[in-house]
Order: sequence, then C-alpha cells, then structure tokens
Amino acid sequence: DAGVTQSPTHLIKTRGQHVTLRCSPISGHKSVSWYQQVLGQGPQFIFQYYEKEERGRGNFPDRFSARQFPNYSSELNVNALLLGDSALYLCASSLAHRGGGTEAFFGQGTRLTVV
Amino acid sequence: RKEVEQDPGPFNVPEGATVAFNCTYSNSASQSFFWYRQDCRKEPKLLMSVYSSGNEDGRFTAQLNRASQYISLLIRDSKLSDSATYLCVVVGSQGNLIFGKGTKLSVKP
Repeated sequence: DAGVTQSPTHLIKTRGQHVTLRCSPISGHKSVSWYQQVLGQGPQFIFQYYEKEERGRGNFPDRFSARQFPNYSSELNVNALLLGDSALYLCASSLAHRGGGTEAFFGQGTRLTVV
Repeated sequence: RKEVEQDPGPFNVPEGATVAFNCTYSNSASQSFFWYRQDCRKEPKLLMSVYSSGNEDGRFTAQLNRASQYISLLIRDSKLSDSATYLCVVVGSQGNLIFGKGTKLSVKP
C-alpha cells in the first residue's frame, strides 16, 4: 500500500513568487494536515482538512491557504513567498480529524527554498 | 511559556547506555500524547503513544504524569540505530499535533 505521497520533493522559488504543494493521503484516510518545519525546530501546524472542510488552522498568515479535493488529496498554497518560508513542508494523513488516538502518518515532505 | 518543551540536548551516549528524555506541556486539558522519532532530513514517525498508566515497547518506556504535566521517554540498551531526534507531541484542541523542538540523540560505538 502506498503511504502518504507529497510532490514535489524539492523546490526552489524566488521571493514574491507563489507555490503549490501537493499531498495524497493513505487510501481510506479522510483527514489531511499540513505542517511547516524550520531547521532545528519541531513541525508547526498550518491547516487540517477533514471531509473537504477546514477543521483547524494554525497561526500562519493569510498568504497560506489550502484545500482538500473529493478524492481527499490536498494542496497547500503559499503566496508572496518570503525568505522565512524556507522550510520542510509536511503533510500528515489520518483516519479521523481528531488526533487523539488516531495515528498520523507523515509524507516525506517538500523541501522549499526561497531565494 | 511554550506549549511543549523538551530537554535541549543533544545527548551523546555510548552503545548500551540508558537515556531519558523529558517533556513538559502547558495545557492541563490535554488528553493525548505521543513520542515521534525523526531521522535526519526525513519525516517524523510515531514511536509510541503515552498513556497515564505508562507503557513499554521493547527497550522503550513512556510515562505520563498529568499532575506535573510531564512526559518522559526512557530508552534502555541504546543501539546505534536509535540515533535520531525525538519529538514530544501533545494533541491540541483542534486535533492538531503540537510538537516540541525535539531532542537529538547520538549513540556512539
């Protein structure tokens, strides 16, 4: 069975540009969450989607947006990129949208570098 | 105060050593807790859940003290393959995972 897949794996963008990151959850999983991990820090929660609806949002600016499609895959969009957006972006898939007792499986991440 | 705080590390230990990681959390209403492991430049992977009664998985033991809002992870008989960053995780009110900064462990021959 395929695990969580993310694309692209690496990306280099220029300040001010826009980026779209993609995630396909494990088959049967209806919840997708996005996290940002800056070097030397733990992952920080950005968004959670369940059944195509936003169920949670972290403390990120409006430049960050996301959506979930009918097949439960998801996109994370970041507008007007800043140097500080350089990070590993992780997608997590789980059966339900409440994390307690529901294991979250992470994709390998997309490493975004903004220059 | 940060929501989840961990020992700063890094921990450098010889093979066979016992090592303990500590973590504190700020929200007394938190109900679910985990330890994740993250290898260099890889994604986090669930190591074990943490229950009030404490739980053990082979060489790994996790403990939770709700009164002190304290979580621990004990690794016995360390192996070279245990070298990684260990992330303490608390489930937030939105069902999201709140990660600590992580503690890096290096096990040396």
